[in-house]
Amino acid sequence: DAGITQSPRHKVTETGTPVTLRCHQTENHRYMYWYRQDPGHGLRLIHYSYGVKDTDKGEVSDGYSVSRSKTEDFLLTLESATSSQTSVYFCAISESNHGAGANVLTFGAGSRLTVL
Amino acid sequence: GQQVMQIPQYQHVQEGEDFTTYCNSSTTLSNIQWYKQRPGGHPVFLIQLVKSGEVKKQKRLTFQFGEAKKNSSLHITATQTTDVGTYFCAGRLLGRSQGNLIFGKGTKLSVKP
Repeated sequence: DAGITQSPRHKVTETGTPVTLRCHQTENHRYMYWYRQDPGHGLRLIHYSYGVKDTDKGEVSDGYSVSRSKTEDFLLTLESATSSQTSVYFCAISESNHGAGANVLTFGAGSRLTVL
Repeated sequence: GQQVMQIPQYQHVQEGEDFTTYCNSSTTLSNIQWYKQRPGGHPVFLIQLVKSGEVKKQKRLTFQFGEAKKNSSLHITATQTTDVGTYFCAGRLLGRSQGNLIFGKGTKLSVKP
């Protein structure tokens, strides 16, 4: 797979604590995404980035913030984790995001977060 | 909001049987992509369809994009145990220059040897 790594891969935390998930890519792709995957809901977009310091909300952005200070890193932060944020989080990258032949997504291995 | 509906949610087949999953959008799509996720793994890109009525094949897998670019299907001929996993379609909305993919909820395929 392409050079995309997520950390941590597994995390257990308590309600109310802050959590940051990191996505790191070595492909120099412009676009980066954070998805969450839950049974019965498929993949839902949280936030995405179309360049350094350029981010936008997805369909389930409430309770999450992101930052991208470098091309290679995209951070997802839960300021105060809740049990409803227990999920598997996937980072993805793509070379471009527009046009009829838009490039495809390459996913990281995922980060499993449990909020007790 | 816009949705991409995928059916069935689950499919159990005997090895050697065929399998089909369907994807439908309420609006016209710019293109549609298909991904496969093995149990415990991450989604992996399979194919992208762009043209109206397009049909593409990958060995035992056949992908179709509808004439109106609102629906798509993935057909697997003579399933094998290696086909186990969840298949997702993902449609890109027409005219969204900085939009994103809308994923279907996936079809989970199990294959009994």
